[in-house]
Amino acid sequence: QVQLQETGPGLVKPSETLSLTCSVSGYSITSGYFWAWIRQSPGKGLEWIASIYHNDDTHYNPSLKSRVTISVDTSNNQFSLKLNSVTAADSAVYYCARYDFWSGAERSFFDYWGQGTLVTVSS
Amino acid sequence: SSELTQDPAVSVALGQTVRITCQGDSLRSYYASWYQQKSGQAPVLVIYDKDKRPSGIPDRFSGSSSGNTASVTITGAQAEDEADYYCESRSRDSSGNHVLFGGGTKLTVL
Repeated sequence: QVQLQETGPGLVKPSETLSLTCSVSGYSITSGYFWAWIRQSPGKGLEWIASIYHNDDTHYNPSLKSRVTISVDTSNNQFSLKLNSVTAADSAVYYCARYDFWSGAERSFFDYWGQGTLVTVSS
Repeated sequence: SSELTQDPAVSVALGQTVRITCQGDSLRSYYASWYQQKSGQAPVLVIYDKDKRPSGIPDRFSGSSSGNTASVTITGAQAEDEADYYCESRSRDSSGNHVLFGGGTKLTVL
């Protein structure tokens, strides 16, 4: 069974960098699939942040691209998110997920999700 | 346009049928997926590739798509189906591949 678990600080100060890690168990991230970060501000909808393949092929949400870095650590079967220059608007539940996507194909879906981690941006 | 549009809220009587729709230009080229999110929980995939159900999803959930509109239908809605539902598809433009989510539809089962 594929399981994902987000870890990282629950509180980040404004202008600093938010860093989260997603640990994957039950599946090797080098075996295929993209891996993604998605967030949800309180009371709001889902917002895709970024996706990565184990060969470092990356996709970014254009609205966040200038502040976001997604990376993969194959030795630890993890992938990570860094979001810099955060403001209160970045306060959200951050989810990591496995992403079924292939360039040239019509499909796109997130089949396994972590439980989510709440990150609050506040001084 | 690079967005997916959903009705904010829909209600259905217990045991009746409800359709939740999603509109967007990306749906002319790419498949829709649907997620169910109950309060305080992570989203769960209920429909992928426009009309397929993952293992474990009840067969009262079905998906369809035509033109720029995708839908998820719940036939015989149950109390446990009360949740937020989000559509999703990929998109592509000059800056690369992206993912779009609809704004979500809150389903109330009366």
